[in-house]
Amino acid sequence: DAKTTQPPSMDCAEGRAANLPCNHSTISGNEYVYWYRQIHSQGPQYIIHGLKNNETNEMASLIITEDRKSSTLILPHATLRDTAVYYCIVSAGGGADGLTFGKGTHLIIQP
Amino acid sequence: DSGVTQTPKHLITATGQRVTLRCSPRSGDLSVYWYQQSLDQGLQFLIQYYNGEERAKGNILERFSAQQFPDLHSELNLSSLELGDSALYFCASSVGPSGDQYFGPGTRLLVL
Repeated sequence: DAKTTQPPSMDCAEGRAANLPCNHSTISGNEYVYWYRQIHSQGPQYIIHGLKNNETNEMASLIITEDRKSSTLILPHATLRDTAVYYCIVSAGGGADGLTFGKGTHLIIQP
Repeated sequence: DSGVTQTPKHLITATGQRVTLRCSPRSGDLSVYWYQQSLDQGLQFLIQYYNGEERAKGNILERFSAQQFPDLHSELNLSSLELGDSALYFCASSVGPSGDQYFGPGTRLLVL
């Protein structure tokens, strides 16, 4: 699986959009981009995934650049409950051989 | 609530002992994954079972073993425990052999 690079921490004001970047310059054509988050020692929570096209669900939007070397997770209206560590993961099999978690981005939502 | 259940929530034991962690996947999910999260190593994949068969192995120690039963629940057995095995152990499940994984609340193991 390709490696990812994320900023270690970010702040965002409550009610604003939180934009979390991820670089995955060595991604292969068959690898998906997955986002999970972990709120303070709880089990990681699946957020969204995509291959080429932008994706949106009830939690977030995923924007993948045309060359697929980077992506951005967007939480449209961040709340205090969105404070968590966010992990960007690239995987060919959707984690078929287990997900490889890096250090992620610690997103802190400020009141 | 992901629908994945894990028992026990907390476990305190001594070095050299053996413990069993239990996981029940979401209804309809055939795959179970085990992960270990320690302060120094982060979240690490240990092993995956799909429909009763071992499918993938990660950084699982030889002292650790797992199995998935016909009712699809899974158990992770940790033996000859060492202080360094103290960690959070998460179970996750997915419908098929790959795909979105849904994690349980974890078992916190403390080895004294």
